[in-house]
Amino acid sequence: GENVEQHPSTLSVQEGDSAVIKCTYSDSASNYFPWYKQELGKRPQLIIDIRSNVGEKKDQRIAVTLNKTAKHFSLHITETQPEDSAVYFCAARGSGNQFYFGTGTSLTVIP
Amino acid sequence: DAMVIQNPRYQVTQFGKPVTLSCSQTLNHNVMYWYQQKSSQAPKLLFHYYDKDFNNEADTPDNFQSRRPNTSFCFLDIRSPGLGDAAMYLCATSRVPQGVQGGRSEQYFGPGTRLTVT
Repeated sequence: GENVEQHPSTLSVQEGDSAVIKCTYSDSASNYFPWYKQELGKRPQLIIDIRSNVGEKKDQRIAVTLNKTAKHFSLHITETQPEDSAVYFCAARGSGNQFYFGTGTSLTVIP
Repeated sequence: DAMVIQNPRYQVTQFGKPVTLSCSQTLNHNVMYWYQQKSSQAPKLLFHYYDKDFNNEADTPDNFQSRRPNTSFCFLDIRSPGLGDAAMYLCATSRVPQGVQGGRSEQYFGPGTRLTVT
């Protein structure tokens, strides 16, 4: 099955700085890569996603890049705000419609 | 307005006493997933249904079973809960068109059921 690795596990940034979270995957057949934000006690919330035929996607302060050859994808958050503090998960959809999650990154934005 | 509903939100069961968690959806999605999420960990896929086809993950314990009687409902049965099964159980749905590869198949998560085993 798919194996998704995520780094770093914790990240602290000053408000206004950028945050970058990186993930790698193992299954070359994976074709859809969502990113989720999860606040304590709540469900994962989709914040951005990218398909395998696209290299980059941006939505306001959030962007995702995908390198299919290297099998890695990254989340970029610019102009971070305290409300961005949460746990972020990357995921990859395998060839059989399964989703496999990375181990998560706890992001803290310091005011 | 609710799209993926899970009941109950909180469930307490005794060690070894069977328990059933429920998920329903109003989205008419053909795929339904069950995840287990323990504290400070990522959601772990237990199994999913593509229409009526059941797909078990290789490392899902036999103690966990699932039923999908129709498109809208999916149940997670834990036959003999152990202390290690205490977790948040998340249900999710997505729509995967037949024969379409590489599509955007967003998952919609329910609010989860917090299971406590005493």
